[in-house]
Amino acid sequence: ETGVTQTPRHLVMGMTNKKSLKCEQHLGHNAMYWYKQSAKKPLELMFVYSLEERVENNSVPSRFSPECPNSSHLFLHLHTLQPEDSALYLCASSQEAQMNTEAFFGQGTRLTVV
Amino acid sequence: GESVGLHLPTLSVQEGDNSIINCAYSNSASDYFIWYKQESGKGPQFIIDIRSNMDKRQGQRVTVLLNKTVKHLSLQIAATQPGDSAVYFCAENQAGTALIFGKGTTLSVSS
Repeated sequence: ETGVTQTPRHLVMGMTNKKSLKCEQHLGHNAMYWYKQSAKKPLELMFVYSLEERVENNSVPSRFSPECPNSSHLFLHLHTLQPEDSALYLCASSQEAQMNTEAFFGQGTRLTVV
Repeated sequence: GESVGLHLPTLSVQEGDNSIINCAYSNSASDYFIWYKQESGKGPQFIIDIRSNMDKRQGQRVTVLLNKTVKHLSLQIAATQPGDSAVYFCAENQAGTALIFGKGTTLSVSS
């Protein structure tokens, strides 16, 4: 257990559906992240939140909408996704955002868009 | 663009051997480096880190070496065990940026 919990572990959704991924960290960290992991590609940073404020958005399509209601919870709202969005979505947290410190990862949500 | 990469996508070793996984980085301003291990069905797990003011750091059965001259990072695993089978990622950053990950090396350990 890393202290970062993601739900659901697996999700299958149609291209017209709306769903949300949830992440919760129990580490008292101030920063939270969403990464996308596709086969044969490096982890791609999607969003960075520091103290509930978005500090980085790496040109992610608007069909992905993050929400950080407090420093312990992070959501990724999904709507009108494409099959190429199928991937493992990883949440992570760290003590501070974008500082020289390790990030702790959840186990990920395996998303399949059909 | 600047990125972190790995020399080999796969590495196969026998149980008990020492493993060396390599990583090259291109951002000379990077000052912090991490190795992560990712087992099937799990998220990446921290193994060991090193800051740019060091060239070697040891943990339990693992050693990370940093050569800033050639921008090279390596992870050495002593007495490799079947439980070490996983994908290994290096990641780097400089203060003010998020971690940048390489593609990963799949380590397979046969007994």
